[in-house]
Amino acid sequence: GAVVSQHPSWVICKSGTSVKIECRSLDFQATTMFWYRQFPKQSLMLMATSNEGSKATYEQGVEKDKFLINHASLTLSTLTVTSAHPEDSSFYICSAREGLTYEQYFGPGTRLTVT
Amino acid sequence: AQSVTQPDIHITVSEGASLELRCNYSYGATPYLFWYVQSPGQGLQLLLKYFSGDTLVQGIKGFEAEFKRSQSSFNLRKPSVHWSDAAEYFCAVGVHASGGSYIPTFGRGTSLIVHP
Repeated sequence: GAVVSQHPSWVICKSGTSVKIECRSLDFQATTMFWYRQFPKQSLMLMATSNEGSKATYEQGVEKDKFLINHASLTLSTLTVTSAHPEDSSFYICSAREGLTYEQYFGPGTRLTVT
Repeated sequence: AQSVTQPDIHITVSEGASLELRCNYSYGATPYLFWYVQSPGQGLQLLLKYFSGDTLVQGIKGFEAEFKRSQSSFNLRKPSVHWSDAAEYFCAVGVHASGGSYIPTFGRGTSLIVHP
């Protein structure tokens, strides 16, 4: 089946530094990728949607200058948290979809802790 | 705006017992509805989906869900729970977006605890 990987699975960084999270579709072409943020015991909050080769579309309230999303190829999207602060600590999940199909395939998530 | 409500934060059942996880949605049109399961260290996995047609849908791992338009509900059921079913379960409604695609909105999740 379709597999989506994320790297790293967890990362600890110091406040003020930037962190990049990679999301890869391993066996299909991800024309659309989604980035979610999940707080403990809460729902997944959609942060942004990106189509390959286009600028990401951010959801209301998500700072595009802080959460930089790049979807330069059909198998890779990256989320860069710039100038991270402790309040950015969270679980970040990506998903990918091929074409306009309904089904999204989710990565295992990345736990970010900012100290 | 669309929304999904999962009223139960935790559900505890004994192994072998039946299970029902509740999901209510709010959406102006006929929704696309989904149930996902999230196990620790793994990505969300699609259990089943409803687009149209038969309101009782069968999914993987012995799960089923019934769409009830009059109640705006899409409850997930399983007749006999296994210890390996312990996980977080998310209901989602797919909102139609431009170009024929959709954007999912998730409920906050229900944590299933299975006692031996």
